[in-house]
Amino acid sequence: DSGVTQTPKHLITATGQRVTLRCSPRSGDLSVYWYQQSLDQGLQFLIQYYNGEERAKGNILERFSAQQFPDLHSELNLSSLELGDSALYFCASSPRQGAGEQYFGPGTRLTVT
Amino acid sequence: AQRVTQPEKLLSVFKGAPVELKCNYSYSGSPELFWYVQYSRQRLQLLLRHISRESIKGFTADLNKGETSFHLKKPFAQEEDSAMYYCALGSGSARQLTFGSGTQLTVLP
Repeated sequence: DSGVTQTPKHLITATGQRVTLRCSPRSGDLSVYWYQQSLDQGLQFLIQYYNGEERAKGNILERFSAQQFPDLHSELNLSSLELGDSALYFCASSPRQGAGEQYFGPGTRLTVT
Repeated sequence: AQRVTQPEKLLSVFKGAPVELKCNYSYSGSPELFWYVQYSRQRLQLLLRHISRESIKGFTADLNKGETSFHLKKPFAQEEDSAMYYCALGSGSARQLTFGSGTQLTVLP
C-alpha cells in the first residue's frame, strides 16, 4: 500500500501516561500534517512538518510534540495524557510545502481512561 | 481567524433528487477551498478543490466570494453518495486545513 499509513489503529491508555503515534507518508511526499478529531472540537490542525523541519503550528498543546525523521515518517508524542485527549488522530501527507490537497491516513483512535 | 461553517449536520434526499451541501467561510486572505468526503469505514479523501473547477462523481462546487460560500451540488443523487462531507479552507504557508463540522448525507432509495 503506497498510501499514508498510521500505527497503531487503536490505543487505550491511562491518564498521566505518554504515547507515540506513528505516520508514514505516501511515497515521495515530503509534507506531513497532524490533525485531531474530537466530538466537541471537530477536526483541528495540530502541526506540519516538511522535509524534517517544523513549518506550521496550530492548536497543539504544549504536552504534545512531533518530529519528522530523515526517512520522512513522523511521530506525534502525547504526554501527561488527560481524558480530554481521547480522539482520533489523523496524519496527512502532500508532496509540497503548502498544499491543501492532502492525503489522509486511516487515523489512530486514542482512548484515555 | 478563519472559520468554516456547515449549517446542516444531517441531510437526507431521495435517489435521483438534487442535493446541495452548504458551506460558508470566513477568511481575510485569498481563500483556497476544498471538499473532502469520508465514506463509511474509509479514510478522508479529497473530492473537489475550487481552483480546478472540475466535476468529480457528478459533484460541482463554485466559490462565491461575495457570499463567502462554497456549496457542493449534484443534480441527481445516487445511493453511493451517502457519506460524511467536510468543507475545508486551506490557509497559511503550510495550507493547513480548517474544517467545517461536516454534513452526513444519506441518499434514500
